Amino acid sequence: DAGITQSPRHKVTETGTPVTLRCHQTENHRYMYWYRQDPGHGLRLIHYSYGVKDTDKGEVSDGYSVSRSKTEDFLLTLESATSSQTSVYFCAIRGGAYEQYFGPGTRLTVT
Amino acid sequence: GDSVTQMEGPVTLSEEAFLTINCTYTATGYPSLFWYVQYPGEGLQLLLKATKADDKGSNKGFEATYRKETTSFHLEKGSVQVSDSAVYFCALSADSNYQLIWGAGTKLIIKP
Repeated sequence: DAGITQSPRHKVTETGTPVTLRCHQTENHRYMYWYRQDPGHGLRLIHYSYGVKDTDKGEVSDGYSVSRSKTEDFLLTLESATSSQTSVYFCAIRGGAYEQYFGPGTRLTVT
Repeated sequence: GDSVTQMEGPVTLSEEAFLTINCTYTATGYPSLFWYVQYPGEGLQLLLKATKADDKGSNKGFEATYRKETTSFHLEKGSVQVSDSAVYFCALSADSNYQLIWGAGTKLIIKP
């Protein structure tokens, strides 16, 4: 157990509304990641962070922003949610041998 | 660029059968290699890892050996159970930017 929690676990929202997902870790890991998982697309990296206030884009960053003001929290924001952002979102942290440990996921539905 | 290719699924086996899920990779440098498992409705769990050539990772009866000469990291288990039904992902570490490169996943179905 890598001490990663995500909130909320499920969310239904309407198109055009802002949404923020939270990832919280308790073990002071430097690297944190946000992925989305969709049928037929596997895991795709949205954004990642390599320290407080240090973030970078992944392969599917359009429509998403992130913030990391504390080591333990990594926030993912959808500024104006669209139906194409309906997905399961996973947060992860990096371990010592470059492996990643994942949170339980957030299932987001945009109607 | 770096990439991971794993066999397409679903793979359907009977209980107690021998399992192999193939994974091959292309990479510059010397990546670490990983297998993850995702049970229905759950997140991804690290199943095993290998950090250098000829290393064998093992966990829960699963094994995989890092073969640099064939650029492979095939997942094996001698006798599968219904509870092994899940999606299995192969991944490698990309030293630049500290990301993991993921395979597409292989769904495994074990029938009693």
